[in-house]
Amino acid sequence: ELQLVETGGTLVQPGGSLRLSCAASGFTFSSFSMNWVRQAPGKGLEWVSHISSSSTTMYYADSVKGRFTISRDNAKNSLYLQMNSLRGEDTAVYYCARRMSGPDASDIWGQGTMVTVSS
Amino acid sequence: QSVLTQPPSVSGAPGQRVTISCTGSSSNIGAGYDVHWYQQLPGTAPKLLIYGNTNRPSGVPDRFSGSRSATSASLAITGLQAEDEADYYCQSYDRSLSGSRVFGGGTKLTVL
Repeated sequence: ELQLVETGGTLVQPGGSLRLSCAASGFTFSSFSMNWVRQAPGKGLEWVSHISSSSTTMYYADSVKGRFTISRDNAKNSLYLQMNSLRGEDTAVYYCARRMSGPDASDIWGQGTMVTVSS
Repeated sequence: QSVLTQPPSVSGAPGQRVTISCTGSSSNIGAGYDVHWYQQLPGTAPKLLIYGNTNRPSGVPDRFSGSRSATSASLAITGLQAEDEADYYCQSYDRSLSGSRVFGGGTKLTVL
């Protein structure tokens, strides 16, 4: 079964750091680019970051650029999001999602992990 | 303010047809970038509904269809069913924002 499972979400204070993980199974992880997408409570989807299959290219939304770092370990079938200098507006459910081969759509999504930034 | 504009809500009775629009600009849809659609049922992760403007992944009923023209795209749902009540999002790529994937603000579909 194709599956993505996010972990690492928790309550963190403003200015703090957090690392999210996404474990992939059921497909050849190293062949696919990956995305992080977030959704603030009661709000819509916001693309956060993208990483190519071999980590040669990474992109970030302006709202997280310079604070978040995306990475992956293909040997461990895992995707990561290092989040620093966290702000209240970073409070959201964070989803990892697999980019399709070809079309720039995300065809497999995890269940999400909740990050709450509050004092 | 989302780069892609969707109506906040649409509604229809069971069996009816509804459409959801997604309006972009010359830097995204108008530049020829594909539009994709996602369905998000309450309390669940998004699910890919349409990719590459018009294509349905395996398992998505043919009641769902997509189209694109100029700087906009549309999702049509025919034979509306109660289980279609969900939030729907369009997504594309915007060349004015380096590497940026962009989503519409989302549309809440209510089945009356």
